[in-house]
Amino acid sequence: GQQVMQIPQYQHVQEGEDFTTYCNSSTTLSNIQWYKQRPGGHPVFLIQLVKSGEVKKQKRLTFQFGEAKKNSSLHITATQTTDVGTYFCAGPGFGNEKLTFGTGTRLTIIP
Amino acid sequence: DTEVTQTPKHLVMGMTNKKSLKCEQHMGHRAMYWYKQKAKKPPELMFVYSYEKLSINESVPSRFSPECPNSSLLNLHLHALQPEDSALYLCASSTSGLQGLMNTEAFFGQGTRLTVV
Repeated sequence: GQQVMQIPQYQHVQEGEDFTTYCNSSTTLSNIQWYKQRPGGHPVFLIQLVKSGEVKKQKRLTFQFGEAKKNSSLHITATQTTDVGTYFCAGPGFGNEKLTFGTGTRLTIIP
Repeated sequence: DTEVTQTPKHLVMGMTNKKSLKCEQHMGHRAMYWYKQKAKKPPELMFVYSYEKLSINESVPSRFSPECPNSSLLNLHLHALQPEDSALYLCASSTSGLQGLMNTEAFFGQGTRLTVV
């Protein structure tokens, strides 16, 4: 079945440093979604990428979708304490009705 | 209203109990989902309802029984659970309802934190 892996599993950064998480799918994705889950909270949708090679920005967050539509990345510039949480990529494969979540990257910020 | 409301927020139940989790949304979404999330793990899909019909069952044990009474409500009936079923149960909804295809953003409820004793 479809597997979606993320690296790193954990990332500890000083406040103000940059952060990147990488997402790799075993199958081609029709689209990729990113979610953030704060400690003790529920997943909250951040963005959806659909096109091959697509890049989208949300303030300090930059999202990329790979050319082969099998990988994606999320980059945060100048992290803040509000960025703490676990970032999940999620994607349905082509012909696959299920939204499979990646393994997640837990970000902690050292003030 | 862009909320998915889940009740109860916390539930402790014995292995012989019968309980139900409830989920409600008023966004007009025709696809609704149950996910199970263990600590420090990603959400795992359990069931998908599309236009009030069960479209996906991820080989979930029969002690979990989903029900979709109407387009706004989703229930998960629990019976004879095991301690390993303790987890956060998340309900989600999205606009895509065709055969459970989730191609738009999913709105998640705050979850029910279930403990089986």
